[in-house]
Amino acid sequence: TQLLEQSPQFLSIQEGENLTVYCNSSSVFSSLQWYRQEPGEGPVLLVTVVTGGEVKKLKRLTFQFGDARKDSSLHITAAQPGDTGLYLCAPQRGGNMLTFGGGTRLMVKP
Amino acid sequence: NAGVTQTPKFRILKIGQSMTLQCTQDMNHNYMYWYRQDPGMGLKLIYYSVGAGITDKGEVPNGYNVSRSTTEDFPLRLELAAPSQTSVYFCASSQLGGPMGYTFGSGTRLTVV
Repeated sequence: TQLLEQSPQFLSIQEGENLTVYCNSSSVFSSLQWYRQEPGEGPVLLVTVVTGGEVKKLKRLTFQFGDARKDSSLHITAAQPGDTGLYLCAPQRGGNMLTFGGGTRLMVKP
Repeated sequence: NAGVTQTPKFRILKIGQSMTLQCTQDMNHNYMYWYRQDPGMGLKLIYYSVGAGITDKGEVPNGYNVSRSTTEDFPLRLELAAPSQTSVYFCASSQLGGPMGYTFGSGTRLTVV
């Protein structure tokens, strides 16, 4: 059984702080996506990473795919209250299906 | 484009009642999915479809049924509702499956009492 773990589960920080959240598994993935979900809404795709070691930046968000394609991280610089939400990683194994992690719930206080 | 539209947004059911959650997408996506999200948790796949006329079970299909008669619509049927089905239900679609990213609806919050 594939294990997919996101950490931390909860994170509460002050505006302006930096943070990193992690997505780890024992399985190798062909690609991985990160989504953000705001309260009362569905998840929204942030980024897709495909190549081992790949780094992608989206404004203050930096996404990295591990060299072995078993893990990923999301780093937010100078967090803002608008970054508050549930961050979900979604690796793709073989085929076309995604598996969603339990998420990291981030709260950024002004 | 409206994207993925789910109705209703909220519903309260009594134990044993049945209902259909509606989902429609206007992006001509082949793949469609139903997920449930319990409080503080991630998403669990209930059913999915890779095209009209084709459906398959996901991780937690018991107590649910689906149909896919058209590319646009993918309704989820709950028969004999149980308190364990209290959850938020999300429908999603994608063009070619995972690599292209999923587009989600805004969800249906269901309470079974």
